[in-house]
Amino acid sequence: DVKVTQSSRYLVKRTGEKVFLECVQDMDHENMFWYRQDPGLGLRLIYFSYDVKMKEKGDIPEGYSVSREKKERFSLILESASTNQTSMYLCASSPGQGGGYTFGSGTRLTVV
Amino acid sequence: AQTVTQSQPEMSVQEAETVTLSCTYDTSENNYYLFWYKQPPSRQMILVIRQEAYKQQNATENRFSVNFQKAAKSFSLKISDSQLGDTAMYFCAFLRLYGNKLVFGAGTILRVKS
Repeated sequence: DVKVTQSSRYLVKRTGEKVFLECVQDMDHENMFWYRQDPGLGLRLIYFSYDVKMKEKGDIPEGYSVSREKKERFSLILESASTNQTSMYLCASSPGQGGGYTFGSGTRLTVV
Repeated sequence: AQTVTQSQPEMSVQEAETVTLSCTYDTSENNYYLFWYKQPPSRQMILVIRQEAYKQQNATENRFSVNFQKAAKSFSLKISDSQLGDTAMYFCAFLRLYGNKLVFGAGTILRVKS
């Protein structure tokens, strides 16, 4: 069964910590995405990657960075976590060409 | 930039009845894709249905169908014979023809009551 796997379902971190959220897909998809989901705001794109070592900013990249060293893995990095980054983070991948996304099951991050 | 609007934050429906979720979008492009995704309490986002804008025929997947009105930029989701397992957040999403990035609406919470 093809899937996107996020390494943590729940995470609690302290303000100022460096946080890594990991995502792995096994579908050989070119594109990978990180979204943030907040009530009433839907899903907002943080970063996406269309190839290894290639990345583009989404709508809300401030305070985040990403890494894609291998095709199957896309990491989201919070350089110095802040309380306003408490949220649900969703990773997704897609083959492009009009194909829909396949999502991971999400990481609920709480920054205290 | 494209925008997607879901005007119904919450809806409820009785089991076995039919419900329609609304979605409108704004784009200047002629060809694109539209999607409905379902997010149950388990949080796993699931693709419900996909529509290609250059196809006039409305997409259907079992109990789920869409009413795609291209001129009105409307893409509503109809769920027939609603089941308790349909309780979820539903997101409408837009994708440009040669784009990579989905643009999502804010979502509609649907509750199916027994």
